[in-house]
Amino acid sequence: KAGVTQTPRYLIKTRGQQVTLSCSPISGHRSVSWYQQTPGQGLQFLFEYFSETQRNKGNFPGRFSGRQFSNSRSEMNVSTLELGDSALYLCASNSGTGRHEQYFGPGTRLTVT
Amino acid sequence: QKEVEQNSGPLSVPEGAIASLNCTYSDRGSQSFFWYRQYSGKSPELIMSIYSNGDKEDGRFTAQLNKASQYVSLLIRDSQPSDSATYLCAVNKDSSYKLIFGSGTRLLVRP
Repeated sequence: KAGVTQTPRYLIKTRGQQVTLSCSPISGHRSVSWYQQTPGQGLQFLFEYFSETQRNKGNFPGRFSGRQFSNSRSEMNVSTLELGDSALYLCASNSGTGRHEQYFGPGTRLTVT
Repeated sequence: QKEVEQNSGPLSVPEGAIASLNCTYSDRGSQSFFWYRQYSGKSPELIMSIYSNGDKEDGRFTAQLNKASQYVSLLIRDSQPSDSATYLCAVNKDSSYKLIFGSGTRLLVRP
């Protein structure tokens, strides 16, 4: 069973640009969560999607958005990049059982210069 | 007060010893509790989940949950140098897939 895939693995962008990150969950999983990890703030929840609908959203500005497609693949977009957006962006594939287990992909390392 | 608190460490133990990692949480309504291991430069890996009071064992790992005292712990028996990593405690407050993470405890196992 294939794991969670995220592309690209590394990105370097300039302030003011926008970026789109992609995530494919474990086969059969219909829910995906996104997190941002930084040395200062740790792991913080961005949003969760299930069946193409956003079910939960964290405390991030509107520059952070996401979507999910009918095949459960998800994308997140960050517009008007700021230096503080430099982080590891992690996608988690959610088990869909009452156990609420989440399995992380390898992440996308975004550097904003 | 942070919602999920962990001692940042590092916690240093000799090879073969028991490593004890602790985590406290503030919301009494928290329902699900998880331990993730994260090696430097890698993503978090789920190693234990626990949902009810008591102990849950899986190989060398034991998770302990005490809802009355609002703490969850992870014991690693027969610690190996390969266990050296940051251990993240995560809590689910409701029936969602929104996890609140602690800042992690760095564990060093000395050969």
